[in-house]
Amino acid sequence: NAGVTQTPKFQVLKTGQSMTLQCAQDMNHEYMSWYRQDPGMGLRLIHYSVGAGITDQGEVPNGYNVSRSTTEDFPLRLLSAAPSQTSVYFCASSPHRQSGRPEAFFGQGTRLTVV
Amino acid sequence: AQSVTQPDIHITVSEGASLELRCNYSYGATPYLFWYVQSPGQGLQLLLKYFSGDTLVQGIKGFEAEFKRSQSSFNLRKPSVHWSDAAEYFCAVGYSGYSTLTFGKGTMLLVSP
Repeated sequence: NAGVTQTPKFQVLKTGQSMTLQCAQDMNHEYMSWYRQDPGMGLRLIHYSVGAGITDQGEVPNGYNVSRSTTEDFPLRLLSAAPSQTSVYFCASSPHRQSGRPEAFFGQGTRLTVV
Repeated sequence: AQSVTQPDIHITVSEGASLELRCNYSYGATPYLFWYVQSPGQGLQLLLKYFSGDTLVQGIKGFEAEFKRSQSSFNLRKPSVHWSDAAEYFCAVGYSGYSTLTFGKGTMLLVSP
């Protein structure tokens, strides 16, 4: 059972480049979300989705886009990478609607460096 | 707005000594509470969770946590720390009707010989 899979695990970008962080889950969870982790800041919510075709902004959405065309996939797009986006990115899924409990299952993270 | 406070940024504990990491949440509704651990360069591992019922919950690796509604707290404890427990610990809160979790800023645990 793969759970939540994030690719790539590591990435180095140049300022101004764009890229997509992939996230896929095989648990048929309706809820998915993206967090970024920075030293001393904990995890902060970037964007989230409560189902296919529905997305919303979290605490730190600027510079990122998301879409949710299928239940399984929730890619995060960096439009024009900036050094401030150097971070570790975590994708999570939740069976909340099925279970009523906001329990998150996390991927292993993507470590992004923007130079 | 929901918030989680972990008042200790760093804690150093001697190996074999007991540990308590503090966590307070701000929102008044019935919370769902979690503790995660992250070793350097690794992902997040769920230590334990509280949904309802017994306010003392047991987790993996010998950890436990106690939910105290009157104090809005969910402190993590371990009776005897091992060197392998050195890591960063995150407390998180969620609520029914909300699809995401709110995290504290983390507490870094250092274990001295």
